[in-house]
Amino acid sequence: GENVEQHPSTLSVQEGDSAVIKCTYSDSASNYFPWYKQELGKGPQLIIDIRSNVGEKKDQRIAVTLNKTAKHFSLHITETQPEDSAVYFCAANSGGGADGLTFGKGTHLIIQP
Amino acid sequence: NAGVTQTPKFRVLKTGQSMTLLCAQDMNHEYMYWYRQDPGMGLRLIHYSVGEGTTAKGEVPDGYNVSRLKKQNFLLGLESAAPSQTSVYFCASSYGQGEFYEQFFGPGTRLTVL
Repeated sequence: GENVEQHPSTLSVQEGDSAVIKCTYSDSASNYFPWYKQELGKGPQLIIDIRSNVGEKKDQRIAVTLNKTAKHFSLHITETQPEDSAVYFCAANSGGGADGLTFGKGTHLIIQP
Repeated sequence: NAGVTQTPKFRVLKTGQSMTLLCAQDMNHEYMYWYRQDPGMGLRLIHYSVGEGTTAKGEVPDGYNVSRLKKQNFLLGLESAAPSQTSVYFCASSYGQGEFYEQFFGPGTRLTVL
């Protein structure tokens, strides 16, 4: 099955700086790569996703890049703000189908004032 | 729309007791999922359903059963709870195929097994 590795587990950045979280996956059939943000006591919420026919996608301060050859994808957050503090999860769909997502173990992003 | 709702929000069980977690969605989604979240482990898929009356096993199905009798509901059962099942359980739903992969998550159920 699919295996998703996520780094780092904790990331502390100064407010206004950029943050980058990286993930690798193992199943070459995976074609959907979402990123979720989870705030304390809440369920994960989709913030951006990318499909395998696209190399990069941007939505205001967040962007995701995908390298299918190397099987890795990254989340970039620019001009970080205090409300960006949360746990971020990358994921990949298993076997290319919609039969569930395989998640990375999460990155705790801390924005220092 | 309420989105995805989960009942109950919290529960404490003793080893060997049984319980059912209820997930409901009002988005007419075909696909529904149950995940568990443990510290440092991310979310792991327990069971999922691709439509009313169908269920399938995920990554960690042992000790759990599920049913999807109605399209909008997905039930997760623990027949004989064990301390290893202490976790936060999340339900999710999606349209399913093609470009509609986005999964919408509920607020979670925190379960403690003593």
